[in-house]
Amino acid sequence: GAVVSQHPSWVICKSGTSVKIECRSLDFQATTMFWYRQFPKQSLMLMATSNEGSKATYEQGVEKDKFLINHASLTLSTLTVTSAHPEDSSFYICSAMGSGGRAYEQYFGPGTRLTVT
Amino acid sequence: GENVEQHPSTLSVQEGDSAVIKCTYSDSASNYFPWYKQELGKRPQLIIDIRSNVGEKKDQRIAVTLNKTAKHFSLHITETQPEDSAVYFCAATPGTYKYIFGTGTRLKVLA
Repeated sequence: GAVVSQHPSWVICKSGTSVKIECRSLDFQATTMFWYRQFPKQSLMLMATSNEGSKATYEQGVEKDKFLINHASLTLSTLTVTSAHPEDSSFYICSAMGSGGRAYEQYFGPGTRLTVT
Repeated sequence: GENVEQHPSTLSVQEGDSAVIKCTYSDSASNYFPWYKQELGKRPQLIIDIRSNVGEKKDQRIAVTLNKTAKHFSLHITETQPEDSAVYFCAATPGTYKYIFGTGTRLKVLA
């Protein structure tokens, strides 16, 4: 149980285009999902907290107009990187939080490697 | 602000020896402390966690200890094996559901 998928696993796009990344909880409902960014050999940096049916909460320094997050259902959250630039190239990982006895536990997706050329 | 320090950044041990990784957190409201193992290019995997009402938890070769007064917690791996080689991250939850991750420890187990 507690499986989280992420799609695509990798994507290459041209500068100025937009990219959408999907995060799905496959066998449980997740009212809260998180989006992280990870640079090579560095830790996971929380970008935003995504709550089903409401606006995402962004961490300080993260541009909400550039990183659009939508959490339309209890099993799906999407991250859209708008007008991508080479500096947006990174490993993006989502996680979904359990509920009840699994509250606080986060289950991570496999990540999406974004390369902007 | 919220902060989690993790040491050491790299750790090499001989196969069969023990490994210890330490983390210190700043927000006393934190009440849940997970540890994740991340292999290169893969997702972080939860390996053990501890809640603030417990001082120690063990799962086979892995154990975690928590000292709330000092605001630090540690991961202990005994009888290390080459497959334990990975990056390990600690995290704290500062009174909310979001995680603040430590900077990571790259563990190498030498055969």
